[in-house]
Amino acid sequence: DGGITQSPKYLFRKEGQNVTLSCEQNLNHDAMYWYRQDPGQGLRLIYYSQIVNDFQKGDIAEGYSVSREKKESFPLTVTSAQKNPTAFYLCASSAVGYTFGSGTRLTVV
Amino acid sequence: KNEVEQSPQNLTAQEGEFITINCSYSVGISALHWLQQHPGGGIVSLFMLSSGKKKHGRLIATINIQEKHSSLHITASHPRDSAVYICAVTYNNNDMRFGAGTRLTVKP
Repeated sequence: DGGITQSPKYLFRKEGQNVTLSCEQNLNHDAMYWYRQDPGQGLRLIYYSQIVNDFQKGDIAEGYSVSREKKESFPLTVTSAQKNPTAFYLCASSAVGYTFGSGTRLTVV
Repeated sequence: KNEVEQSPQNLTAQEGEFITINCSYSVGISALHWLQQHPGGGIVSLFMLSSGKKKHGRLIATINIQEKHSSLHITASHPRDSAVYICAVTYNNNDMRFGAGTRLTVKP
């Protein structure tokens, strides 16, 4: 079945360490997105990519980086420059409609 | 101010009750989405609509483009409907904006 796979589901890191969240899709979608969710707030866009080898900053890109070397993959790196990295991260892809992954809950201690 | 406003923020209902969640937005959109987020965090798309009304099982979504308002209705609610329901809008550039969500709890 087609879908989006995010891994891992839970991730713990020490403050100051970079961490990379995985997002893979087999839907043949061109567009992929990374969102951050904090309690009581709507999802906010971190980065998006409309096509391979191209990506754009969203509303809260500071402290994050991405790559899009393959159509299927859109990994997100949370760098040590991100001041409040503890959050729930969701990946999505779209063609006509949107498909969402199951998310990664990152806790930085 | 959020571009997408949902109400209520929290909703508790008894099994069997008819439920309505409301969503309003501020500017013209290409489509409106209703999403369901379960406790594990994953999100499922329930509806995408740009006009009128859609129905899927016990769920009904309506949109009024002139009033920039949408409603999600659940008939004969069941405890398994308990989840966070999120309204989101997309613009012509495919940019998606989300409401803060409505947490629904249906008690048996």
